[in-house]
Amino acid sequence: QSALTQPPSASGSPGQSVTISCTGTSSDVGGYNYVSWYQQHPGKAPKLMIYEVAKRPSGVPDRFSGSKSGSTASLTVSGLQAEDEADYYCSSLAGNDYVFGAGTKVTVL
Amino acid sequence: QLQLQESGPGLLKPSETLSLTCTVSGDSIRSSSYYWSWIRQPPGKGLEWIATIYFSGTTYYKPSLKSRVTISVDTSKEQFSLNLSSVTAADTAVYYCARHLACGGSGSCTFDYWGQGTLVTVSS
Repeated sequence: QSALTQPPSASGSPGQSVTISCTGTSSDVGGYNYVSWYQQHPGKAPKLMIYEVAKRPSGVPDRFSGSKSGSTASLTVSGLQAEDEADYYCSSLAGNDYVFGAGTKVTVL
Repeated sequence: QLQLQESGPGLLKPSETLSLTCTVSGDSIRSSSYYWSWIRQPPGKGLEWIATIYFSGTTYYKPSLKSRVTISVDTSKEQFSLNLSSVTAADTAVYYCARHLACGGSGSCTFDYWGQGTLVTVSS
């Protein structure tokens, strides 16, 4: 059982927006502004998309945005494109541990 | 461009010790800004952080795995390694090495570069 709770799936049509939630506790998501989001295509390594809740690494499109309220973080993908179809994982510092969610499969309809 | 490459045996028997090495190229493992980590992903499942090391030798371990895990660094070879003892089928996973940015201060506390991963299967 993963420490952070994500919905198993989400979907949207091209051009639409999809939002993925990541729910933790005050010991992880709620206690630190160190939430990251990773995109993983089948058979590939995870790719960092968002760090420190809402910051984007260089090269990540601004269609990807992050936010947090209390112990729930969210990733929004706006203007969905076919290449956005992938698994997305959230993560957070949790004291002397580092925890991930179980992942959300995003399908572009 | 930073590159990380995992290497090691792909098949182990139960009770054996898993040993993997990550070779870093394109940047120095001695950089004061970065830490170096191992993360694994069982087939069809999510990610699990295992351990992190600084070039000086400072280590951090996932509490639930700490009794079986050792992470080490060889700065002369630009490599860091993972040992996981007494493996079982539950340790079957793709093992990734990754660069970690520090938590606290000006650090971003995230894994920004990942290796391609190596599948380790534990089976009798």
